[in-house]
Amino acid sequence: NAGVMQNPRHLVRRRGQEARLRCSPMKGHSHVYWYRQLPEEGLKFMVYLQKENIIDESGMPKERFSAEFPKEGPSILRIQQVVRGDSAAYFCASSPRTDYNSPLHFGNGTRLTVT
Amino acid sequence: QKEVEQNSGPLSVPEGAIASLNCTYSDRGSQSFFWYRQYSGKSPELIMFIYSNGDKEDGRFTAQLNKASQYVSLLIRDSQPSDSATYLCAGMDSNYQLIWGAGTKLIIKP
Repeated sequence: NAGVMQNPRHLVRRRGQEARLRCSPMKGHSHVYWYRQLPEEGLKFMVYLQKENIIDESGMPKERFSAEFPKEGPSILRIQQVVRGDSAAYFCASSPRTDYNSPLHFGNGTRLTVT
Repeated sequence: QKEVEQNSGPLSVPEGAIASLNCTYSDRGSQSFFWYRQYSGKSPELIMFIYSNGDKEDGRFTAQLNKASQYVSLLIRDSQPSDSATYLCAGMDSNYQLIWGAGTKLIIKP
């Protein structure tokens, strides 16, 4: 049973370019979460999605960032016009349902470097 | 504001000893708690979770929950150098949202 798959593992973008990060949840999981982590810092929640719906985007910056989880295909986190401050590790996590016994399972992350 | 607090460390423990990692939370509505381990440059991996008061054991790991004191801990018995990592505590609130602590860095000294 494959785990949460994220790609690419490493992504380098110049300032002003777009970054697209992909996440395929574990089989049977319909809840996807995106987190950002700066070096030596904790996880920062960005957005929570179910298929075709954004449930909670309270952690997403108001501009340049967007996320989707279409009916078919992976979840996508898109960052437009990247700036150096966007350099971070972006982790995707999934769970099968929302209840107190459903932990999140994390992918290996995408390390974004903006030059 | 809902918060989960952890001592950032580093917590240094000699090999073979018990490592005790602690976490407090502010939201009395939080129902279950999760411990993750994160090695440097890697993603968080689940160690165990607990939702009932008391202890829950899994191998060398024991999670302890005291809802009255709003306190969660993780004990690691017979600590090994491979246990050196950052340990993240997270509480799940009544909306099923995870509130994360900033993590405690644990160093096991051979």
